[in-house]
Amino acid sequence: EPEVTQTPSHQVTQMGQEVILRCVPISNHLYFYWYRQILGQKVEFLVSFYNNEISEKSEIFDDQFSVERPDGSNFTLKIRSTKLEDSAMYFCASSEPSGRTYEQFFGPGTRLTVL
Amino acid sequence: GNSVTQMEGPVTLSEEAFLTINCTYTATGYPSLFWYVQYPGEGLQLLLKATKADDKGSNKGFEATYRKETTSFHLEKGSVQVSDSAVYFCALRAGAGKSTFGDGTTLTVKP
Repeated sequence: EPEVTQTPSHQVTQMGQEVILRCVPISNHLYFYWYRQILGQKVEFLVSFYNNEISEKSEIFDDQFSVERPDGSNFTLKIRSTKLEDSAMYFCASSEPSGRTYEQFFGPGTRLTVL
Repeated sequence: GNSVTQMEGPVTLSEEAFLTINCTYTATGYPSLFWYVQYPGEGLQLLLKATKADDKGSNKGFEATYRKETTSFHLEKGSVQVSDSAVYFCALRAGAGKSTFGDGTTLTVKP
């Protein structure tokens, strides 16, 4: 069964460093998303991406964040200068329109720890 | 905007007890509704879904019915097991947009 994959599973970085989180969505999907979950809290939307551009972003997704689909398979989230409060689990998701279901498929997540 | 409210947790039950986790939502239009489960240290797994009013989603003994009149999507299971211990998230999604999640409810089932 097709699945969304994410690498690395765990990233440890120093405050102020740049990190790139990688995702490989399901191959025929058209919509891509990033969410984050601070430990013990709810899952929060960061950004959605369609047709090679951002379609929606939350207030969390400030200038320190960027997304890119550099080739036909990868979807990346870059944090330019990490802060302690960026420590969280980051989930990638993808979907394709399928009637009204629009089911999202989530990856296993990357745990980011900022020291 | 859209929002999801889940019953406050945590919930602790004995094995074979009946489970209900309440979920209500606010949304414009006709969203699809979902329950996700997150086991310790793992990612989000889709548990069940419903795409229109009166639909019942079911999986692994869990059920939830899309109630438009009460804007609810309560999760139920007749007999929980220790292996059901996890965090459960109710979520909604309108079209191809973002998903909006509830705060999550931690379920602990004791033998």
